Amino acid sequence: DTGVSQNPRHKITKRGQNVTFRCDPISEHNRLYWYRQTLGQGPEFLTYFQNEAQLEKSRLLSDRFSAERPKGSFSTLEIQRTEQGDSAMYLCASSLGQPLNEKLFFGSGTQLSVL
Amino acid sequence: DQQVKQNSPSLSVQEGRISILNCDYTNSMFDYFLWYKKYPAEGPTFLISISSIKDKNEDGRFTVFLNKSAKHLSLHIVPSQPGDSAVYFCAASGRQGSSNTGKLIFGQGTTLQVKP
Repeated sequence: DTGVSQNPRHKITKRGQNVTFRCDPISEHNRLYWYRQTLGQGPEFLTYFQNEAQLEKSRLLSDRFSAERPKGSFSTLEIQRTEQGDSAMYLCASSLGQPLNEKLFFGSGTQLSVL
Repeated sequence: DQQVKQNSPSLSVQEGRISILNCDYTNSMFDYFLWYKKYPAEGPTFLISISSIKDKNEDGRFTVFLNKSAKHLSLHIVPSQPGDSAVYFCAASGRQGSSNTGKLIFGQGTTLQVKP
C-alpha cells in the first residue's frame, strides 16, 4: 500500500494559463474523488469517479475544470484559463467502494497559486 | 448551505487533559460520520468513524460520540498529547437515492493545540 500519490506538490502559474494535476490512487481502489480546500475551510467536494465513469460533479466545478480517469486508474484534473480564485489545495482521495463505511484515503494534495 | 458545522475554530488544552471537539450536522440522511486529522502541507488522515446505528465508538485514546436526536457528534481525546496538535475535520456521508457514493461532506475544521 503506497498510498494516494499526487503530482505536482506545488504549482505556481500566471492567470489565464492552463494547469493539470495528476492523482494515482491506491491500486485496488475503484472510487476516486477530487476535493478543493481553501484556507480556513474544510475540503469541498468537486467530483467523483467509479472506475472510469465520472458519476458526480459539484456545482463548484465550472466549465473551466475537467477531470478524467482513463482506464479507471490514475486521474487528471485540468483547469483552463486559471483565475486567482482558483488558488487552493487540490486534494485527491480514493476508496474501495464498499457500500458502507466509506473511509477515504487522501493524498498530500497539490497547492495551486495563481498570480 | 453548510451541512456539517464545526463552530469552534480553535481549541487549546494542556497535555494530559481531555480534548473535546464538537460537530453539528443538518442533513438527517447522513448515516456515517468520520473524523480526520490534518497536519500542515499534508492531506487529511483518517482517525475514527461511527455509523448512525451506534452512539459511541472507541479506539485507544480517541472516542467518538453520536447524538442523532441532536444531530451532534463529538471527538474526545484522552489524554491529549502535544503530537495531537493539528486541524481536526468532522465529515459525514449518506445515501443518495439507492446508492452511496461515499462522498464526504466536511466541516470547517478545528485547530487543536496541546500545550506541554
